[in-house]
Amino acid sequence: DTAVSQTPKYLVTQMGNDKSIKCEQNLGHDTMYWYKQDSKKFLKIMFSYNNKELIINETVPNRFSPKSPDKAHLNLHINSLELGDSAVYFCASSRPGLDNEQFFGPGTRLTVL
Amino acid sequence: QKEVEQNSGPLSVPEGAIASLNCTYSDRGSQSFFWYRQYSGKSPELIMFIYSNGDKEDGRFTAQLNKASQYVSLLIRDSQPSDSATYLCAVRGGGFKTIFGAGTRLFVKA
Repeated sequence: DTAVSQTPKYLVTQMGNDKSIKCEQNLGHDTMYWYKQDSKKFLKIMFSYNNKELIINETVPNRFSPKSPDKAHLNLHINSLELGDSAVYFCASSRPGLDNEQFFGPGTRLTVL
Repeated sequence: QKEVEQNSGPLSVPEGAIASLNCTYSDRGSQSFFWYRQYSGKSPELIMFIYSNGDKEDGRFTAQLNKASQYVSLLIRDSQPSDSATYLCAVRGGGFKTIFGAGTRLFVKA
């Protein structure tokens, strides 16, 4: 069984479009995250939710809007896509504690043309 | 100054050798330290975590933490070609935020 799943795996779209990426985890974790990994492989936190509450909101353009309908789901909606949004977006989840290993989804490769 | 710094590499070692990966961090209040491995085109997966000063061993992997020097390292003994990947150092403070380094690419030559 997949622990953290994301859809779609690949997303190719035109500048200016609006798109969404969905994430689901079946690990029973309370905390979920969205990361952006650019072409240089730098993994940067964007958002984090704990029990459906937004707890981390990094300096991200407000074109990006996360939504957590329940503890097991965290979706990312992106408005007015730009070329610079092209990257791999990873969803992750974790339990609380010092040893809070993060479990990552397979990633969504977004290409904006 | 970057919050978590790693040498981007590539670090190239022969099969069977010890690979040494290093990481420094800027936040003295950091509490937990993680090493993730990421194969090309795949997602990161945890290798080890450490939160006390000293060494922690797990199989061929040893994590070393020195909070006074704000330094954490990962040693891979008897390196195998399958260890070739990017290794990400991650540091967590008192809250929920984990900061990742840019990663070190390791190449193990057969």
